[in-house]
Amino acid sequence: QKEVEQNSGPLSVPEGAIASLNCTYSDRGSQSFFWYRQYSGKSPELIMFIYSNGDKEDGRFTAQLNKASQYVSLLIRDSQPSDSATYLCAVNIRDNYGQNFVFGPGTRLSVLP
Amino acid sequence: NAGVMQNPRHLVRRRGQEARLRCSPMKGHSHVYWYRQLPEEGLKFMVYLQKENIIDESGMPKERFSAEFPKEGPSILRIQQVVRGDSAAYFCASSPAGRSGTEAFFGQGTRLTVV
Repeated sequence: QKEVEQNSGPLSVPEGAIASLNCTYSDRGSQSFFWYRQYSGKSPELIMFIYSNGDKEDGRFTAQLNKASQYVSLLIRDSQPSDSATYLCAVNIRDNYGQNFVFGPGTRLSVLP
Repeated sequence: NAGVMQNPRHLVRRRGQEARLRCSPMKGHSHVYWYRQLPEEGLKFMVYLQKENIIDESGMPKERFSAEFPKEGPSILRIQQVVRGDSAAYFCASSPAGRSGTEAFFGQGTRLTVV
């Protein structure tokens, strides 16, 4: 059973603070890791992907991956009210048939003005 | 380069009718994934297809649901004899043939309402 776990939240942070979103996964064969943002009533949109251990930064967003601990996180610096959304962690698993994406349940983030 | 196209955006069906949801992947993408999302819940994997092949349908109910991705044309998710519990948003995503770091892009979704 390939699982991706996230805290459902809601996670509330004040405007300007750092929001930290966490994700764990069960399949050690996982190769790539993705963070999607989903606004209410909208489709998920890709924010970042990471596939090497360490940090990857893109603007206010930093993804962190630790394959030994099977843990991936997303940090949002200088959080803005417009960052309020559900953040979905996804894991790309390759098997004999190809590749598949398994999503976590999502963490709802609320940035308070 | 058009993104993933889903239609219709909204679909209303009476109980017992059939629902057909269409998904055209991004140009050059050969992998299609269907997900279902209930209100206030996460994305639930349903089925993963490549052209003319179902790769993984472990998330799809055994009855009433079927999916296809023909050689020509869009992928179709078909729900027969719909019930109220089928009301949800159905999202399609596509990706190119697999390399590490290949992300999936989502369509706008089809919101199915069963009345």
